[in-house]
Formats: sequence, structure tokens, C-alpha cells
Amino acid sequence: KAGVTQTPRYLIKTRGQQVTLSCSPISGHRSVSWYQQTPGQGLQFLFEYFSETQRNKGNFPGRFSGRQFSNSRSEMNVSTLELGDSALYLCASSSDRPTTDTQYFGPGTRLTVL
Amino acid sequence: AQSVTQLGSHVSVSEGALVLLRCNYSSSVPPYLFWYVQYPNQGLQLLLKYTSAATLVKGINGFEAEFKKSETSFHLTKPSAHMSDAAEYFCAVSRERGDKLIFGTGTRLQVFP
Repeated sequence: KAGVTQTPRYLIKTRGQQVTLSCSPISGHRSVSWYQQTPGQGLQFLFEYFSETQRNKGNFPGRFSGRQFSNSRSEMNVSTLELGDSALYLCASSSDRPTTDTQYFGPGTRLTVL
Repeated sequence: AQSVTQLGSHVSVSEGALVLLRCNYSSSVPPYLFWYVQYPNQGLQLLLKYTSAATLVKGINGFEAEFKKSETSFHLTKPSAHMSDAAEYFCAVSRERGDKLIFGTGTRLQVFP
């Protein structure tokens, strides 16, 4: 069974631009969660989608948004990029609840904002 | 608010020695607790999780963790370290089944020959 895939793996943008990251979950998984990982703040939860609906949300500004499609693939968008948005963005999928069902992580997309 | 504290950002052990990575949590209700491992340039992998069943939880790669409510701890151990265990380890907590996961700041484990 293929794992969680994230595209692109690396991205360089400049301040003020917007970016879209993509995540394809494991086949059959309906929950997709997004995390931001930085050296200063560590791993922080962004949001979780289940069956095309946002089920949980972290404490990030509205510039961070996401969506999920009917095939469970998910995208996250960051508008008006800031230098502090430079991070590794991780996507994880699970069959249902990330607490009771094993969550599988993708390799991440490393975003650099110049 | 729930949180998790990992004591020691770096831990070094010799190959064959005991591995002990510390995690303390704060939660007003019995939590869900997790240990994840992250190898360089990779995503996270679940090592084990506590979901209010047995207090001693066995995971993959010989790791185990014990839930101690009186100490609000969920320390990760492995009797004998292997070179391949070198990685970063994250403890995480969730207050209830539908809640988000809160991660600790991570502990980098180095294993020396």
C-alpha cells in the first residue's frame, strides 16, 4: 500500500506570495491532518479534515487555509507569505480519528520564504 | 490546557545501553498519549500509544512506555540501544478521542558505538 505523499518536496517563495501544498493520503484513509514544524516552535497542529469537512483547527492566522476533496486528497494554502512561515509542513492521514487510529505521516514539504 | 514536556532536548547513550526518554503531561482528564520517532529528512512514525488500556505499552523496535498517572508521566524506554535508534523522538498528548494532538519539543537521541 502506498504511503502518504506530499508535493512538492521543496519550495522557495518570496514574501507576499501565496503557496499551495498537496497531500495524498493512504488509500482508504479519510482523515488528513496538517502540521507545521519549525526549530523554534516545534510541531504545531494546523488543521484536520475528514470527509471534506474541517473537523479540528489549530491556532494559526486566517492566512493558513485548507481543503479536502472527495478522494480525500488535501491541499493547504498560505497566502501573503511571511519569513516566519518558513518551515517543514507535514501531512498525516488516518482512517478516522488520529487519536485512536494510527496516523501515518508523509515526508513533508520544506517551504523557504525569502 | 493540555501540554506535554520532554525533559532533555538531547540524550546520548552508548550502543547496548538503556534508553530513557522522559515525557510529562498535563491534562485534566485521562489523556491519549503517543510517542513518535522522526528520522532525518522523513516524516514522523508512530512508536506506540496509550489509550487507557494497559498502562505498560509495547511499541515497535523494542520500545515501550509506562503510563503513570500519579506522576503524570509517559517515559519511553528501550533496554538496549542500537545505532539505528538515533533519531528525534516526540511525545504527544490528546485530551479526548476527537481532539488534536499536542506535541512536545522533541528529544534528539544519539547512540555512540
